[in-house]
Amino acid sequence: NAGVTQTPKFQVLKTGQSMTLQCAQDMNHEYMSWYRQDPGMGLRLIHYSVGAGITDQGEVPNGYNVSRSTTEDFPLRLLSAAPSQTSVYFCATGLAGYNEQFFGPGTRLTVL
Amino acid sequence: QKEVEQDPGPLSVPEGAIVSLNCTYSNSAFQYFMWYRQYSRKGPELLMYTYSSGNKEDGRFTAQVDKSSKYISLFIRDSQPSDSATYLCAMSFSNDYKLSFGAGTTVTVRA
Repeated sequence: NAGVTQTPKFQVLKTGQSMTLQCAQDMNHEYMSWYRQDPGMGLRLIHYSVGAGITDQGEVPNGYNVSRSTTEDFPLRLLSAAPSQTSVYFCATGLAGYNEQFFGPGTRLTVL
Repeated sequence: QKEVEQDPGPLSVPEGAIVSLNCTYSNSAFQYFMWYRQYSRKGPELLMYTYSSGNKEDGRFTAQVDKSSKYISLFIRDSQPSDSATYLCAMSFSNDYKLSFGAGTTVTVRA
């Protein structure tokens, strides 16, 4: 039982490049979400999904796309990376009907 | 004004001291309150989860919620060097999975 896994752990991109951050869970949680963490800002919600085929925007969605084709996976796509997207990205999951969420280990992204 | 305010510290205490952390919030509709612990370069780990006003205890940790004052607290008794971490408060509305976080308080427990 791996819980929530995220790949890659670290990534360096150049401005304008695209990439996908992967998140996978084996807990059969319906709810999955992406947050970014910046110094002094806490965690801010980017996108979330309440089940396969359903996604919605959070507080800071611009520049990011998501899709949810399976219960287990929730990838986050950066279409054209910008230096402002330099951050640590966390995936979180939760069980339907419960508000607490469980976080993955994070991906550290630097955009030059 | 941010929805959830948390003093970023840093807070440095000697081993064995009581650590007191708190958050204030502006939206009285928040119903669920959580505390997460985050070690350096790791993901947040759920520490405490409360729903109603009052106290909840788990070992050396006590979470307090005062909805009338829109104020939540976390107390760590008999603090240990292994408690050195950043503590994040988070809260959500009823039937809503989206979490609103404080900025986090960095705590160092000196041996």
